Amino acid sequence: SQQGEEDPQALSIQEGENATMNCSYKTSINNLQWYRQNSGRGLVHLILIRSNEREKHSGRLRVTLDTSKKSSSLLITASRAADTASYFCATDQGAQKLVFGQGTRLTINP
Amino acid sequence: DAGVTQSPTHLIKTRGQQVTLRCSPKSGHDTVSWYQQALGQGPQFIFQYYEEEERQRGNFPDRFSGHQFPNYSSELNVNALLLGDSALYLCASSLVGQAWNEQYFGPGTRLTVT
Repeated sequence: SQQGEEDPQALSIQEGENATMNCSYKTSINNLQWYRQNSGRGLVHLILIRSNEREKHSGRLRVTLDTSKKSSSLLITASRAADTASYFCATDQGAQKLVFGQGTRLTINP
Repeated sequence: DAGVTQSPTHLIKTRGQQVTLRCSPKSGHDTVSWYQQALGQGPQFIFQYYEEEERQRGNFPDRFSGHQFPNYSSELNVNALLLGDSALYLCASSLVGQAWNEQYFGPGTRLTVT
């Protein structure tokens, strides 16, 4: 069974706009991670946020974590065509295994 | 610095056959995890190997087995293949004791069962 649920399942925006994806999970976590996947290939690690952190930035990425609501969001600013991919959140409950959501398919239109 | 490598890239098998997939972890990593990703779904944890032993296992039948070698590389074996085993199989490596369990994924092996 999957821990997280991403919302929306699919998102299509114009290049230059911001993209926001949300993730909800069910149990307590050590950290939450976001990954990108292009065309059904390997996953690329984007950012990790620890359970005691509320916000983290990396380049054009901004991640927030609300442990009281068991939710996280990923914001990609100034989107580019190369950002077209599927984005997954994954929770680490402390056992060194990741539990993934079903992903958000992001399409950036030129 | 070599990343995680997997072989083969693609594989086509027939129902009932057996398959072996291979993974070499990122240099310096000692833990290998395997995930199954069905089309349109997120990856699902199969199992994890550390010190040549299975440390954790997800909700997969015994038809799925694995092995880790002294050089930390790993194999995933699936017996008595079913059509539902068709998926992308991802290997991820990490370093035990690393506080925040950042996992590095390989490009995957796409298995098609006909």
